[in-house]
Amino acid sequence: AQSVSQHNHHVILSEAASLELGCNYSYGGTVNLFWYVQYPGQHLQLLLKYFSGDPLVKGIKGFEAEFIKSKFSFNLRKPSVQWSDTAEYFCAVENTGFQKLVFGTGTRLLVSP
Amino acid sequence: GAGVSQSPSNKVTEKGKDVELRCDPISGHTALYWYRQSLGQGLEFLIYFQGNSAPDKSGLPSDRFSAERTGGSVSTLTIQRTQQEDSAVYLCASSPTGGAGSYEQYFGPGTRLTVT
Repeated sequence: AQSVSQHNHHVILSEAASLELGCNYSYGGTVNLFWYVQYPGQHLQLLLKYFSGDPLVKGIKGFEAEFIKSKFSFNLRKPSVQWSDTAEYFCAVENTGFQKLVFGTGTRLLVSP
Repeated sequence: GAGVSQSPSNKVTEKGKDVELRCDPISGHTALYWYRQSLGQGLEFLIYFQGNSAPDKSGLPSDRFSAERTGGSVSTLTIQRTQQEDSAVYLCASSPTGGAGSYEQYFGPGTRLTVT
């Protein structure tokens, strides 16, 4: 069965620092990949997604992620974080055709001003 | 347009009681999903509907859990004889289709269930 690992559970950064959050999944085959974000008191929102094509995808608020098929990875990056990026970030994988999302355990990011 | 809505937003119930949680998906979305977000377990898939049928119920944790969807729209998740381990945030999501093609899932705000 598919599983998703997010190795960083808590990350603390200062504003303007660069961010990289790791995401690895276990099962090969054709996958759709997602990063969702949950800001404090708000519901899950899509940050970015990869379905096919260019493995470097850009999302909202300056976030990007790179799909490396050989490493089963889909790491999230942002060159310069802001205080407003404080949130919990979830990586999710869908094995194409299986519909359901398998989520990682999430990474809580705290950005100090 | 309107997003996915869920009701109630919070529910406190006594152990052993039954609860019903409701989800209104985005209009026109044929696929509907239920997930559970709990401490220690993260976000877990429960069940997926395509129209009114549920081709994947693999995530329902026990036979105390059931769900239905009527008119290809509203869905209800029912938990019978609630237990304390059922305490969690229950999330509903919808997408334009669950069939061929790739679409993102749009999440509702969730129902926080507390079993005392």
